Amino acid sequence: DTEVTQTPKHLVMGMTNKKSLKCEQHMGHRAMYWYKQKAKKPPELMFVYSYEKLSINESVPSRFSPECPNSSLLNLHLHALQPEDSALYLCASSQDARVGEQYFGPGTRLTVT
Amino acid sequence: GENVEQHPSTLSVQEGDSAVIKCTYSDSASNYFPWYKQELGKRPQLIIDIRSNVGEKKDQRIAVTLNKTAKHFSLHITETQPEDSAVYFCAARNTGTASKLTFGTGTRLQVTL
Repeated sequence: DTEVTQTPKHLVMGMTNKKSLKCEQHMGHRAMYWYKQKAKKPPELMFVYSYEKLSINESVPSRFSPECPNSSLLNLHLHALQPEDSALYLCASSQDARVGEQYFGPGTRLTVT
Repeated sequence: GENVEQHPSTLSVQEGDSAVIKCTYSDSASNYFPWYKQELGKRPQLIIDIRSNVGEKKDQRIAVTLNKTAKHFSLHITETQPEDSAVYFCAARNTGTASKLTFGTGTRLQVTL
């Protein structure tokens, strides 16, 4: 299996809702990433997990809460989001945080109303 | 931190012509340079990468060149086809110290018939 999968594909949530995005890979990769991508912009790094530990937090607001339950799974918990948080949320993985290519999942298109 | 500039922002070529996209980076310690292709509504897809110990790499119709002295690298696509139409992102990373990929701003390539 050489894919990164993400669920759901689309998500619409109100500003008071709590929701979670899920990411899974079965390539044995030990680094996983969350990116945010706005239209016509490059992916913007949010978090990096290395060997299931959070290694980079790019000063992301606390309304985004990442979780790595095991080496194959990565979650992003969302709470009290703002309309400007609407974006494509991409998960990626690589063999290791310092080596290996990063492979992206298909993303979750999030709309905050 | 690393800064990657990418030019041009848009590029229109006729089918069969060549396309060249150029990137410059600021951190001389960067040693890994991937290129991603992103079709509309799809995930960024790694199409080719180059490491700093190599000056050029080719894969069928695409090639990447790296000039470490000038700190720039380029993507070359020959015999362009309509399915090459997409947004292309370059990126740079120092694999020794950082797991963060720094992306360029993207080039929208349009291949016309």
